[in-house]
Amino acid sequence: DAKTTQPNSMESNEEEPVHLPCNHSTISGTDYIHWYRQLPSQGPEYVIHGLTSNVNNRMASLAIAEDRKSSTLILHRATLRDAAVYYCILEDNYGQNFVFGPGTRLSVLP
Amino acid sequence: DADVTQTPRNRITKTGKRIMLECSQTKGHDRMYWYRQDPGLGLRLIYYSFDVKDINKGEISDGYSVSRQAQAKFSLSLESAIPNQTALYFCATGRLMGGELFFGEGSRLTVL
Repeated sequence: DAKTTQPNSMESNEEEPVHLPCNHSTISGTDYIHWYRQLPSQGPEYVIHGLTSNVNNRMASLAIAEDRKSSTLILHRATLRDAAVYYCILEDNYGQNFVFGPGTRLSVLP
Repeated sequence: DADVTQTPRNRITKTGKRIMLECSQTKGHDRMYWYRQDPGLGLRLIYYSFDVKDINKGEISDGYSVSRQAQAKFSLSLESAIPNQTALYFCATGRLMGGELFFGEGSRLTVL
């Protein structure tokens, strides 16, 4: 299974942009890149996903490197409510073995 | 009502007891997953299923079994619970052709 690596933790100031990196050097051509986040005492929630092109939605943007070996989740203006653990996951074969890594714990400072 | 419902939400049991955690969903999804989460750690995949006749082991299936009784229901069983199975368990569902997963609120299990 293709694996991802993320920094253990990051810190941001409120109302500033946040760039959360993810490396996935063994990604295959059909793997989708997913991002989820987990707020304290809650289940994970979907943030965004993409295959090759950059993606935007109401929560965030996903920037995918041209070689697809890395991606970056962009929160345009961090709020205190964005403090969470963010997981980068590769989805292969339509979701078989959908495996989470340890993720990046994001702290947002007021 | 929640789209993905887990029962019970909290359970305390003793070593050696049989425990069943249930998950039901109203989203009509084919994919269903069971994960466990230990304090301070990420989620680890226990089992997953793509339809009623499809059951697959995940990273940590030893000591667990599952049953997909219907498209909407996926149960996780601990035949003989042990203390290191104390954890927070999450169920998730998704459409068959990939895409986002929807998670339940979790079932906290304590094995004494």
